[in-house]
Amino acid sequence: KAGVTQTPRYLIKTRGQQVTLSCSPISGHRSVSWYQQTPGQGLQFLFEYFSETQRNKGNFPGRFSGRQFSNSRSEMNVSTLELGDSALYLCASSSGVGPRGTDTQYFGPGTRLTVL
Amino acid sequence: DQQVKQNSPSLSVQEGRISILNCDYTNSMFDYFLWYKKYPAEGPTFLISISSIKDKNEDGRFTVFLNKSAKHLSLHIVPSQPGDSAVYFCAASTREGSARQLTFGSGTQLTVLP
Repeated sequence: KAGVTQTPRYLIKTRGQQVTLSCSPISGHRSVSWYQQTPGQGLQFLFEYFSETQRNKGNFPGRFSGRQFSNSRSEMNVSTLELGDSALYLCASSSGVGPRGTDTQYFGPGTRLTVL
Repeated sequence: DQQVKQNSPSLSVQEGRISILNCDYTNSMFDYFLWYKKYPAEGPTFLISISSIKDKNEDGRFTVFLNKSAKHLSLHIVPSQPGDSAVYFCAASTREGSARQLTFGSGTQLTVLP
């Protein structure tokens, strides 16, 4: 079974621009979660999508948004980029159903975003 | 306020010996705990998990112990191998609702010396 894929792997943008990152979950998984990893803040939860609906949201500004398509693929958008948005953005997929204690999240390789 | 803490940023162990990585948490609502391993420029790789109804889970060389009263979990790797050198994150999720959200510790860099 193919793993979680993320595109692009690397991205360079300038302040004020916007960016869209893509995530394809493991086949059959309906939940996609996004995380931001920075040296200062570690791994932080952005949001989770399940069946095209945002089910949970972390403590990030409204410039960070996402969506999920009917095939469970997900996109994350960051508008009006700031220098502090430079980070590794990770998505994770899981079945999204059943007891959470048996529903492991599997991560993709991440997209490294650099904002100049 | 860090709800999941890994107080040791780094750990060095000789090959063949035991590696013990520790993690403490403060949120009593956490009921599912996981350990991930991460190499540079890659996403975290799932290692092992434990539900709060258990106090031990074993998978090959990896064993996770959970002490709910102390809000403490640990990952034991026996025997340690050079390929185990990576950053190890513990993560926890709450029992609230059906959403999936992991809260991560800051990670411990494990170096296994040959």
